[in-house]
Parts: sequence; structure tokens; C-alpha cells
Amino acid sequence: GENVEQHPSTLSVQEGDSAVIKCTYSDSASNYFPWYKQELGKRPQLIIDIRSNVGEKKDQRIAVTLNKTAKHFSLHITETQPEDSAVYFCAALNLYGNNRLAFGKGNQVVVIP
Amino acid sequence: DGGITQSPKYLFRKEGQNVTLSCEQNLNHDAMYWYRQDPGQGLRLIYYSQIVNDFQKGDIAEGYSVSREKKESFPLTVTSAQKNPTAFYLCASSLGTGTYEQYFGPGTRLTVT
Repeated sequence: GENVEQHPSTLSVQEGDSAVIKCTYSDSASNYFPWYKQELGKRPQLIIDIRSNVGEKKDQRIAVTLNKTAKHFSLHITETQPEDSAVYFCAALNLYGNNRLAFGKGNQVVVIP
Repeated sequence: DGGITQSPKYLFRKEGQNVTLSCEQNLNHDAMYWYRQDPGQGLRLIYYSQIVNDFQKGDIAEGYSVSREKKESFPLTVTSAQKNPTAFYLCASSLGTGTYEQYFGPGTRLTVT
């Protein structure tokens, strides 16, 4: 099955700087890649997603890039704010396979004021 | 954040006892999921259901059972066969499987001693 890995496991950034989290996946047939954010004590929520037919998607301060050849995708957060501190989970899915999301283990992002 | 609820928030059980975790949604979603979240392990899929009266095993189904008799409800039973049941359990639902956003419940923290 699909195996998704996230790096680094923990990332600390100064407020205002950018943060980048990278995920790699194993199944070259995966074609949908969402990112979920889980703030401390709260439930995970979808923040952005990308399909394999595009290379980049942006929504205000967050963006996701996809490199299908290398089988990795990254979350970019610009102008980080304290409320960006959270655990971020990436996931991958093969729409024509078992149609189930495979989540990574999560990245802890800490924004230092 | 409303629409999907889990109860109770905290649950304590003695080893050897079965325990059932509740998950209810009023979002009219067809698909429902159960995940287990352990520190550093991400979200691991236990069971999922695409439609009423149907469910499939996820990656870590051993020691768990589910039912889907109603569209709104997807209870999870943690049986005495589950060797390490202490964990945080998250229920989620979505309009369908695949690229639909998964909406998570607030979670139940189960402690078995």
C-alpha cells in the first residue's frame, strides 16, 4: 500500500519567516494530496489540497507544490504567525486504487513570536 | 466544527473489557471513518464505511469492530483482543470516499488500565 513520509518531524521558525514541510509518497499512481492542520487540542481540518494534474496551488499564505517525478509534495507557509503553530499532516490517495487516504505521521510546526 | 460528535471525551476501562465509542454525524455524509492517533504515529485508519450496512477494514483493524446500521452513526468497539487500546480515537465523515474533505470529530481519549 501507499507509504507517506514527512520531514522534518519538528520545525521551529521565527514569526514572519517561511516554513516548508515536505512529504514523499511511494505509490506513483497516487493522484490526490491533501494537507490537514491540527492545532493543539483540536480536531484536524483540511487546509489545502492538490491533484496530480497541477504542479502548484496557492491559497493566501499557504501553497502546495507537487513533483510527480520525484514523488514528493510540499506545504509552504509564508509570513508565519503564531496561529500557524500546529501539527500538519499530509496524505496521499489513489483515486483508481483503494480510494483511501494514507496519512503521514505529522510535522510539528512551532512559530516563535 | 459542528456536525460530527464523539462521546465521551474521556473514557476509562479495565483491561479485558470491551468498550464502545460513539460517533454521530448530521451532515448527511455517506462515508465515515475511524482513526487511531498515537504520539508520533499520525492518523492510522482502523475501519471505514462508504455506505450504510457496509464497512471495510483499514490498516489496523485487529481487535476492533464496527457497525453501520444508520447513516448517521458509526460506533467503534474496542475489544479485549486489542493489545494496546490506550489511544486517542478520531472519527471522521465525508460526502463520499476519494477527494471529498474529511470532517473530524473532537475525539475520544481511551485509557485502559
